[in-house]
Amino acid sequence: DTGVSQDPRHKITKRGQNVTFRCDPISEHNRLYWYRQTLGQGPEFLTYFQNEAQLEKSRLLSDRFSAERPKGSFSTLEIQRTEQGDSAMYLCASSFFRPSSNFYEQYFGPGTRLTVT
Amino acid sequence: AQSVTQPDIHITVSEGASLELRCNYSYGATPYLFWYVQSPGQGLQLLLKYFSGDTLVQGIKGFEAEFKRSQSSFNLRKPSVHWSDAAEYFCAVVLYSGGGADGLTFGKGTHLIIQP
Repeated sequence: DTGVSQDPRHKITKRGQNVTFRCDPISEHNRLYWYRQTLGQGPEFLTYFQNEAQLEKSRLLSDRFSAERPKGSFSTLEIQRTEQGDSAMYLCASSFFRPSSNFYEQYFGPGTRLTVT
Repeated sequence: AQSVTQPDIHITVSEGASLELRCNYSYGATPYLFWYVQSPGQGLQLLLKYFSGDTLVQGIKGFEAEFKRSQSSFNLRKPSVHWSDAAEYFCAVVLYSGGGADGLTFGKGTHLIIQP
């Protein structure tokens, strides 16, 4: 059972550059979530997909952020014109949602640590 | 809006001693409640969850948590900690709707230090 994987694990970029992260969920999972975690804080929800549809976006997701899940499998999160305040750990999680079930569990990947200099 | 408070930023416990980590939530209805653990360089791992039913829930690694509606609390406990339990612990809640649940709301975490 391969878990959620994220690439790259670390990214250092200069302010103003664009960066893109990739998340590969557990294969049968239809929901995929993105979170951001800054130092000393808990993860904060950014957005999530059900299959290829983006169902919700947090107010934290500014216009410089865009996420896609084009074929309902892997997802990418792009940050344009990065700022120092974007430095954080970006976490991806996936789950399997069934309308008949109240239960779900989100499985998290190891995260991508972004440092903007 | 739902929120989660973990009042203790750091807790130090001697190995073999008991542990209780506090979590309070603010929400009009009973949310779904979770405890996650995060070790350095590792992803978040689910320890246990509460949806309904028995208010004392058992999780992995010998952890348990008790839901107390009257206190809006979901405290995590372990009778005897091991050095390997040193990590960051997060309490989280989620709103469930007919279309499923959306993103988790996490507390700020409690950093657990184990003294030999």
